[in-house]
Amino acid sequence: GAVVSQHPSWVICKSGTSVKIECRSLDFQATTMFWYRQFPKQSLMLMATSNEGSKATYEQGVEKDKFLINHASLTLSTLTVTSAHPEDSSFYICSAKFGTTLEQFFGPGTRLTVL
Amino acid sequence: DAKTTQPPSMDCAEGRAANLPCNHSTISGNEYVYWYRQIHSQGPQYIIHGLKNNETNEMASLIITEDRKSSTLILPHATLRDTAVYYCIVRVAGGSNYKLTFGKGTLLTVNP
Repeated sequence: GAVVSQHPSWVICKSGTSVKIECRSLDFQATTMFWYRQFPKQSLMLMATSNEGSKATYEQGVEKDKFLINHASLTLSTLTVTSAHPEDSSFYICSAKFGTTLEQFFGPGTRLTVL
Repeated sequence: DAKTTQPPSMDCAEGRAANLPCNHSTISGNEYVYWYRQIHSQGPQYIIHGLKNNETNEMASLIITEDRKSSTLILPHATLRDTAVYYCIVRVAGGSNYKLTFGKGTLLTVNP
């Protein structure tokens, strides 16, 4: 149980376009979802935390107008990278938790390459 | 959350036990020790967590020193598939802070 999926697993786009990444909890209702970014040979950096039905809380230095997060249901959160540029190329990973449990369940990640 | 220190890399022979250390000398009484691992180009995977007692599950054992200032993750019989970056994370239980702060972790390479 506690499976989290992401779609797509990889995407290549042109500079200036927008890209949407989906994160789904397959067998549980995720009250909270997290979005991380990981550059090559670096650790995961938390971008934002989102609770179902409310606005996401962004970490310091993360542009909320560039990285739009929607958590419209208990099983789906989306991250939209708007007007993507090559420096946005990264590995984007979501995680989800339910209820008051501390454990986070991670998705497999989405590799974004902006040309 | 308290800071953790881990060696950047370790090697282990296949079939042998892998012992991964973590120093968390500033840990508070209400902070848990969590271990996650990340296989290359995949999302992190939860391994185990503990407060002060030693813990064991189907994946690993967690040994926490009596003063709680350090811990060791033990993979009893490492396989090639255990090659990954292992992250030791200290975090408060409860409240509304569910964030995980990942450090640089330890790259464990299991050799045949």
